[in-house]
Amino acid sequence: KQEVTQIPAALSVPEGENLVLNCSFTDSAIYNLQWFRQDPGKGLTSLLLIQSSQREQTSGRLNASLDKSSGRSTLYIAASQPGDSATYLCAVNTGANSKLTFGKGITLSVRP
Amino acid sequence: DTEVTQTPKHLVMGMTNKKSLKCEQHMGHRAMYWYKQKAKKPPELMFVYSYEKLSINESVPSRFSPECPNSSLLNLHLHALQPEDSALYLCASSQGLARGLAKNIQYFGAGTRLSVL
Repeated sequence: KQEVTQIPAALSVPEGENLVLNCSFTDSAIYNLQWFRQDPGKGLTSLLLIQSSQREQTSGRLNASLDKSSGRSTLYIAASQPGDSATYLCAVNTGANSKLTFGKGITLSVRP
Repeated sequence: DTEVTQTPKHLVMGMTNKKSLKCEQHMGHRAMYWYKQKAKKPPELMFVYSYEKLSINESVPSRFSPECPNSSLLNLHLHALQPEDSALYLCASSQGLARGLAKNIQYFGAGTRLSVL
């Protein structure tokens, strides 16, 4: 059974800092991994999707990497801003029916 | 347009009520999903529809009844719910269920916050 872990559960950083959010998964037989952002009480916004054959994806100040063999992904956020404060979830797709298994998320607070 | 629209945004219902949640997308996606999310927990998959047919039911109690009347619309009918069913219900869609490059990105709606009294 696939398990996805995100540690720490919460992170507080000063504005402008570059930061890395970690995600690990137990079964390396994945089709893709997706990073989401969730604001309090809101739905999920897809940030980046990395296919199993890819090593990284970039969008603006965000860069996600994938090391399938070691069961790890990182989300790098450059020059963090208070508007980046949210919960970041990673989810892996291991099933033929596109079933996503989510981590519990990392709640990020960027202090002005 | 990558919008998935869910209505209502908030719903309060009693344990004897019957209500429905609605989800709509106009991206031409052929796979649609219902997730349940409790506070400070990750979303949990409930149902998956592919080409308007139920593909996955994650052993969800029968008091939750999904319906996909057409490729753009997904409903979740609720009956005789329990207070522990109070949660954020999220709908998502994707191009399909294939394992190809772009098809697996799931786009989520803002959710319906359900309170069962």
